Amino acid sequence: EAGVTQFPSHSVIEKGQTVTLRCDPISGHDNLYWYRRVMGKEIKFLLHFVKESKQDESGMPNNRFLAERTGGTYSTLKVQPAELEDSGVYFCASSQVHGQPQHFGDGTRLSIL
Amino acid sequence: AQSVTQLDSQVPVFEEAPVELRCNYSSSVSVYLFWYVQYPNQGLQLLLKYLSGSTLVKGINGFEAEFNKSQTSFHLRKPSVHISDTAEYFCAVDTPNTGNQFYFGTGTSLTVIP
Repeated sequence: EAGVTQFPSHSVIEKGQTVTLRCDPISGHDNLYWYRRVMGKEIKFLLHFVKESKQDESGMPNNRFLAERTGGTYSTLKVQPAELEDSGVYFCASSQVHGQPQHFGDGTRLSIL
Repeated sequence: AQSVTQLDSQVPVFEEAPVELRCNYSSSVSVYLFWYVQYPNQGLQLLLKYLSGSTLVKGINGFEAEFNKSQTSFHLRKPSVHISDTAEYFCAVDTPNTGNQFYFGTGTSLTVIP
């Protein structure tokens, strides 16, 4: 089966610009998660979708971040406007049942200049 | 909130030597425990998991980990490492009855020296 895919793999933008990250979960996985790792720190939870509904968005840093999962398939994470502290690696993960191991994508490395 | 501690940020070890990567977590509630590995320029790959049952769990590539509830630890071990084990290793905790997310440690960078 195809794994979790994320696009783009790298993104370099200037402060103030907008960037949209995309995640395609494993087919049939209702649970989709976004995480972020700032350099040298732990991987931190951002939010959790069950199908198209946001189950938990307690980890979203602020209202510059907007996540969507229309139709319950792929998800997008938009950062607008981007700030320097948004730099890091953004991981997406999916699971069939919540509580089971999450399958991770390769991540999107976001650099804000 | 849950916290996960990986005390060793970098671990160098000679090829064919044993290695232990330490992980401690803070929760006293029911937990699921995981170790993930990230090879250079790749995503996170599940090494092994503890959900219930035997406290000694075996994973891929010869790794194993032992769940110790009294010490709230889940240390990862391998009796003989290979060059290809060079990677970053992450411990993760899930508290399925109280939340939706995984809590990760800061990662341990394992470097195997020929």
